[in-house]
Amino acid sequence: KNQVEQSPQSLIILEGKNCTLQCNYTVSPFSNLRWYKQDTGRGPVSLTIMTFSENTKSNGRYTATLDADTKQSSLHITASQLSDSASYICVVSGRGSYIPTFGRGTSLIVHP
Amino acid sequence: DTAVSQTPKYLVTQMGNDKSIKCEQNLGHDTMYWYKQDSKKFLKIMFSYNNKELIINETVPNRFSPKSPDKAHLNLHINSLELGDSAVYFCASSQVRQGDGYTFGSGTRLTVV
Repeated sequence: KNQVEQSPQSLIILEGKNCTLQCNYTVSPFSNLRWYKQDTGRGPVSLTIMTFSENTKSNGRYTATLDADTKQSSLHITASQLSDSASYICVVSGRGSYIPTFGRGTSLIVHP
Repeated sequence: DTAVSQTPKYLVTQMGNDKSIKCEQNLGHDTMYWYKQDSKKFLKIMFSYNNKELIINETVPNRFSPKSPDKAHLNLHINSLELGDSAVYFCASSQVRQGDGYTFGSGTRLTVV
């Protein structure tokens, strides 16, 4: 069964600090992995997409990594800001599948 | 603005009522979806339409009926609402052949009292 597990479930950090969110998946055959950011009261918005051959991709202060051999991804946030407070969702698509597998998200709170 | 727009944003209604949520996308995407987000923030697929054809219908009570008049619209009608239907419902669209990610609407918070 395709699964996406994210850790930690929640995280509280101080403004300016870095943090790393983890995503492990069992989706096979693999097509791509996306990280979404969901602000409170809004729909998720895509941050990065990674395919099998990519192992690092950056979007501003967000850097995603992918290890397709171990089926793990991480999202690193540098110099966190209050606006980074949100839920971060890992979504993995299988080749030939219409519907990707969603993780349950990591809730990040950045305190001043 | 290019977007996925859904209405209403908030919906409070009594048990037993029938209600509809509307969704429209102007991105030219060929596939639209309805997702339900529970209190623990987990997004679960309900339905998916590709070019007006139903392609995904997960184990959702038949009180829920999607309707896609054209590939830019996907509405969700719910009959005989129950307390457990309270959740946030998200519409999304994508262009499947290009492998694009989803573009989500801003959600409809349904509260059944």
